[in-house]
Amino acid sequence: DTGVSQDPRHKITKRGQNVTFRCDPISEHNRLYWYRQTLGQGPEFLTYFQNEAQLEKSRLLSDRFSAERPKGSFSTLEIQRTEQGDSAMYLCASSTSNGHYGYTFGSGTRLTVV
Amino acid sequence: AQSVTQPDIHITVSEGASLELRCNYSYGATPYLFWYVQSPGQGLQLLLKYFSGDTLVQGIKGFEAEFKRSQSSFNLRKPSVHWSDAAEYFCAVGVGDMRFGAGTRLTVKP
Repeated sequence: DTGVSQDPRHKITKRGQNVTFRCDPISEHNRLYWYRQTLGQGPEFLTYFQNEAQLEKSRLLSDRFSAERPKGSFSTLEIQRTEQGDSAMYLCASSTSNGHYGYTFGSGTRLTVV
Repeated sequence: AQSVTQPDIHITVSEGASLELRCNYSYGATPYLFWYVQSPGQGLQLLLKYFSGDTLVQGIKGFEAEFKRSQSSFNLRKPSVHWSDAAEYFCAVGVGDMRFGAGTRLTVKP
């Protein structure tokens, strides 16, 4: 198992464009999480899935953000009409169903909106 | 709502000295507590976790943490710091919507 994979590693986009990120979790893990991290801050929770069901969404996840996990395997996070304030590192993590043993994080996708 | 406070933004220690990073949490029930480390340009790596049992937990890389319910604390310790421990350290609480502190940046002086 190669761990949690995120693609792309870096994305530069113009303000107003749409972007989509992909996360491939560890295959045995049925929970998948998305976080956002800005410079000098800790990761901020965005949303998480148990299999294909989206169980919780943070109020940080505005209507421009949408996340899917259609077959309970990989997940996508889409940001529509990007704004400069969306510039951040987007982290994906996965865990077993109760998460008690901690999460395994990917290396993240760094988004820069210009 | 669950939350974490890491009072120290930046700590500098000499190599070989002991280390303690502070973490205070707010959680409605028995907390699930974690410490993660993040090196520059890297993802977060789990150091250790607590959710029940012995209040002193051992982790990887020689780290340990002690859960103190009366103080709502989960401080991370290491008896002798190595230069390779320089990184950002995050305390986190909860499962599902796990919440992280703002982090403590550790600098190690030679």
